[in-house]
Amino acid sequence: GAVVSQHPSWVICKSGTSVKIECRSLDFQATTMFWYRQFPKQSLMLMATSNEGSKATYEQGVEKDKFLINHASLTLSTLTVTSAHPEDSSFYICSASPGQGAGTGELFFGEGSRLTVL
Amino acid sequence: AQTVTQSQPEMSVQEAETVTLSCTYDTSESDYYLFWYKQPPSRQMILVIRQEAYKQQNATENRFSVNFQKAAKSFSLKISDSQLGDAAMYFCAHGGATNKLIFGTGTLLAVQP
Repeated sequence: GAVVSQHPSWVICKSGTSVKIECRSLDFQATTMFWYRQFPKQSLMLMATSNEGSKATYEQGVEKDKFLINHASLTLSTLTVTSAHPEDSSFYICSASPGQGAGTGELFFGEGSRLTVL
Repeated sequence: AQTVTQSQPEMSVQEAETVTLSCTYDTSESDYYLFWYKQPPSRQMILVIRQEAYKQQNATENRFSVNFQKAAKSFSLKISDSQLGDAAMYFCAHGGATNKLIFGTGTLLAVQP
């Protein structure tokens, strides 16, 4: 099946620094990628929809300036957590849909990235 | 807006027995998909089964099957012949035309040997 890879899988940073997480579709082109956040023992909450070549669409309550999303190519979306604070510590997961997959329910998840802010 | 509700925070089943996980949803979309995902301790999301809303026939994947009741907006997952490897968190999810998913709160399934 299709593969979506996230990097890094685990990162620790100091409070006030910025952290970038990458999401790559390895064997298909993804016009749309999604970023989710998952707190321990909780569900996945959609943060934003990343569209190749255009601005991301953020869900209500998600700070655009805090969580910068860039989808510069058909195989890469990045999430940058700016000026990270301990409350940003979480598990971040991306998913991607193939270019022809809109409305087909076909999407693939990355392995997730665990962010710990000290 | 779409919502997904899982009313069972935890479930337990004996190995080789059958267990059913419940899920209800609400949606304003006419065309949509419903999913069950498994999340083991590794946190990798694994697709268990997918149901297209326009299909009346319930989806099945080996030991996993669903009971899709569209009018009642119910989408339960049945796991037959439960195995130790089935122990995980299970999430029900709704996806529409945009492919963005709305997840339920999850059911933690324990399998007793």
